[in-house]
Amino acid sequence: GEDVEQSLFLSVREGDSSVINCTYTDSSSTYLYWYKQEPGAGLQLLTYIFSNMDMKQDQRLTVLLNKKDKHLSLRIADTQTGDSAIYFCAESMGNDMRFGAGTRLTVKP
Amino acid sequence: DSGVTQTPKHLITATGQRVTLRCSPRSGDLSVYWYQQSLDQGLQFLIQYYNGEERAKGNILERFSAQQFPDLHSELNLSSLELGDSALYFCASSDRDNGNTIYFGEGSWLTVV
Repeated sequence: GEDVEQSLFLSVREGDSSVINCTYTDSSSTYLYWYKQEPGAGLQLLTYIFSNMDMKQDQRLTVLLNKKDKHLSLRIADTQTGDSAIYFCAESMGNDMRFGAGTRLTVKP
Repeated sequence: DSGVTQTPKHLITATGQRVTLRCSPRSGDLSVYWYQQSLDQGLQFLIQYYNGEERAKGNILERFSAQQFPDLHSELNLSSLELGDSALYFCASSDRDNGNTIYFGEGSWLTVV
């Protein structure tokens, strides 16, 4: 497909792990990103991964990259209510970045 | 705080009017990007400037224009506004021309009535 695709909604219980999935478009994308947007706020860069990596871990966040399938995922361990937000997957394409529509993560106490 | 500053934060204006949104990039960043986020279109790339020059153009309407000034701040001009232009407009900046990480401002909420 031509779009960066993400599922629109995800709901988890506090303390569980969240996994947000993304399918991107260009196998030559150099960087892939996860951004977080809280209500009424801008996009905050959470993490990024170089295309020559399979995995990147940063505290509670784990990013997995499957280049063959052009699939990117973000795992949030021990999800907290403060993690409730919209999460955007993005790929860099030269001078442009292409974003998915965002996954709204709801964390229930 | 990303270091990218946008003004105004909120703006309400009437159809047919013209507005200017302003962005100050992070200190030292040469690239400025503009994005539009609306409910039905998601996050859309509009345009990028690098050190004063236009570098890339996305889904930017002809009624919209932008520029980057010598001090590296940027302005997005929206004219002949329509109801459908109501959206959150983000500015982002980075220190390089491409293939790099960009940092977003808080956005400017534009409501056209």
